[in-house]
Amino acid sequence: AQTVTQSQPEMSVQEAETVTLSCTYDTSESDYYLFWYKQPPSRQMILVIRQEAYKQQNATENRFSVNFQKAAKSFSLKISDSQLGDAAMYFCAYRSARTSYDKVIFGPGTSLSVIP
Amino acid sequence: KAGVTQTPRYLIKTRGQQVTLSCSPISGHRSVSWYQQTPGQGLQFLFEYFSETQRNKGNFPGRFSGRQFSNSRSEMNVSTLELGDSALYLCASRTGTSGYEQYFGPGTRLTVT
Repeated sequence: AQTVTQSQPEMSVQEAETVTLSCTYDTSESDYYLFWYKQPPSRQMILVIRQEAYKQQNATENRFSVNFQKAAKSFSLKISDSQLGDAAMYFCAYRSARTSYDKVIFGPGTSLSVIP
Repeated sequence: KAGVTQTPRYLIKTRGQQVTLSCSPISGHRSVSWYQQTPGQGLQFLFEYFSETQRNKGNFPGRFSGRQFSNSRSEMNVSTLELGDSALYLCASRTGTSGYEQYFGPGTRLTVT
C-alpha cells in the first residue's frame, strides 16, 4: 500500500522569505501523480502544484516549485517570496496513474505560519 | 464554471441517528470522491463514484455508504452515528475519464453529540 509522510507538522517563515516543505512517499508503482494541496483556515482545499512521475522536469507554478526525486521518493515544495496568504495547512498527496483508480492518499499535513 | 458545492455546511446530530450529506460536482465532472478529515486520522478516502457506480472504496465500515445520481450529484449516508464520526467531510470531483486533478468542495462539518 502507498503511504505519504510529512515529517514537519509545523513550520514558520518570515514574509518575503523562502520555505521548503518536505514530503516522502512509498510506492511500488512506476507511474503516478504527486500533488501539493493547500487548505487555508476557510477549509477549501486548493491544488497548488502537481507533478507527473514520468516527467523529470520539476513542476513550477509562479512562486511555488517542487523538487521531485523519484529514486529517493521525495517530493518537496518550495515557496518563494512568502506572503501572508500562504499561511495554511499543506498536504502532500499521491495518486496512482491508473485512470480508474481515483483514490488519493494524503500525508498528515504541515501547518505553515507566515510571520509579518 | 461553478465549483463543487456541498450541503449542508454544518450539521449537528445525536449518536445513533443517521445523516445524509450532498455533493454537487462541477458541471461535466462524472467522478465524485468523498473524504473524511479528522485531526487524529487526517484525510482518509471513503469512496469514489463514477457514472452512478462505486468504483473505489476505502477502509470504512458499512455504516458509510453513498450513491450517485444520473446528473452526477452524489450523496453520502452514515447510519447509526458514533461520536468518532465527527469530522469534516470533503467531496471532490473530476472529469473521471481524462485528467487527474480533483477539485474539492468546502466540506460539511458534522458534529455528533
